[in-house]
Amino acid sequence: EAQVTQNPRYLITVTGKKLTVTCSQNMNHEYMSWYRQDPGLGLRQIYYSMNVEVTDKGDVPEGYKVSRKEKRNFPLILESPSPNQTSLYFCASSPPGRLDGYTFGSGTRLTVV
Amino acid sequence: AQSVSQHNHHVILSEAASLELGCNYSYGGTVNLFWYVQYPGQHLQLLLKYFSGDPLVKGIKGFEAEFIKSKFSFNLRKPSVQWSDTAEYFCAVKPDAGNMLTFGGGTRLMVKP
Repeated sequence: EAQVTQNPRYLITVTGKKLTVTCSQNMNHEYMSWYRQDPGLGLRQIYYSMNVEVTDKGDVPEGYKVSRKEKRNFPLILESPSPNQTSLYFCASSPPGRLDGYTFGSGTRLTVV
Repeated sequence: AQSVSQHNHHVILSEAASLELGCNYSYGGTVNLFWYVQYPGQHLQLLLKYFSGDPLVKGIKGFEAEFIKSKFSFNLRKPSVQWSDTAEYFCAVKPDAGNMLTFGGGTRLMVKP
């Protein structure tokens, strides 16, 4: 089944403790992206990657890092999480060229206390 | 950069009522347009999309949307809503030449049985 898999689904952590949210897709998509969803703000893009070793900032990159060493994986790294990063995070992927819409992961609900 | 506005943040309807959710975007070039739905506790799913051609687009579950280029709008409609349509709806825009998908703030729809 074609899908985007995120882990974990739920995570509670403390301020300053580094964490990684994994994202993996099995569709051989070049393009991958991370969004955070906050009430009333919709989804805002954090980082995106056009292909392996090619990443760029989205609208809200501060406090986040990403890497794209392999085509299928696009982990999101919070080096020193803060409470304002409490949010619902979605990973998405799409093929190149004219999109047929993104495929989204099931989301990761992160709480930083 | 493009932006998307969804003016209705919360909509409450009774079953069988007609639905229209507004979406306006700002971007000077050619765009691809999407509506996504997020059911409670789930990830985003594509309802419908517009790339070119007939500006009236039909999607899944009886939804349709009309692209009006002169008004920079892509409103979502459904003639008769059901309780199962209770969800949050997101409009999204992508420049035809790029990959960045920008979302509106979302409209939370509640359908009363």
